[in-house]
Amino acid sequence: GQQLNQSPQSMFIQEGEDVSMNCTSSSIFNTWLWYKQDPGEGPVLLIALYKAGELTSNGRLTAQFGITRKDSFLNISASIPSDVGIYFCAGFSGTYKYIFGTGTRLKVLA
Amino acid sequence: KAGVTQTPRYLIKTRGQQVTLSCSPISGHRSVSWYQQTPGQGLQFLFEYFSETQRNKGNFPGRFSGRQFSNSRSEMNVSTLELGDSALYLCASSQGGGNTEAFFGQGTRLTVV
Repeated sequence: GQQLNQSPQSMFIQEGEDVSMNCTSSSIFNTWLWYKQDPGEGPVLLIALYKAGELTSNGRLTAQFGITRKDSFLNISASIPSDVGIYFCAGFSGTYKYIFGTGTRLKVLA
Repeated sequence: KAGVTQTPRYLIKTRGQQVTLSCSPISGHRSVSWYQQTPGQGLQFLFEYFSETQRNKGNFPGRFSGRQFSNSRSEMNVSTLELGDSALYLCASSQGGGNTEAFFGQGTRLTVV
């Protein structure tokens, strides 16, 4: 199935560090969404982006909609242990379905 | 406002059986999408329904089917279960119009033995 390229695949960081991850596609998207998923649970929506170049924050999270509309970035500042989980990007092209990234597994070392 | 509700949370079925999963979207949301999540394949789109009509379908065999009712609740059915159908099945609801934020339920963990 179709998936977006998301990197890094996994990362270990120290508590308090900043985290950056990105998502790239060969297709243009109208909307980018970022989710966090804990084990055995459904993904939780973190941030939604609707316009190229848009920069949106949600607490310590900041996401950007790439100018080319083919990529998006998520930053987490001052990470804490509860940031542990898998982060997914998702692109929506307007054909009634979302394409998901491969996920970034984040582990925070206290 | 209640979130997306999926039932049951866990299921164990035998190969060859069929299964029906249920999803109740957020009140006011008319679009329901279904996804299969496995460790190897990630989140894969199954189908999307809006006002009881299937608007898009992923690349899954015909054993996977769905429907949506007039109250926007949706069900998906998998017939003739195979071991490879073991996965977390997720349902997402959205308003379905210009606002395309999608909210997921907790999922149904299906194990086929």
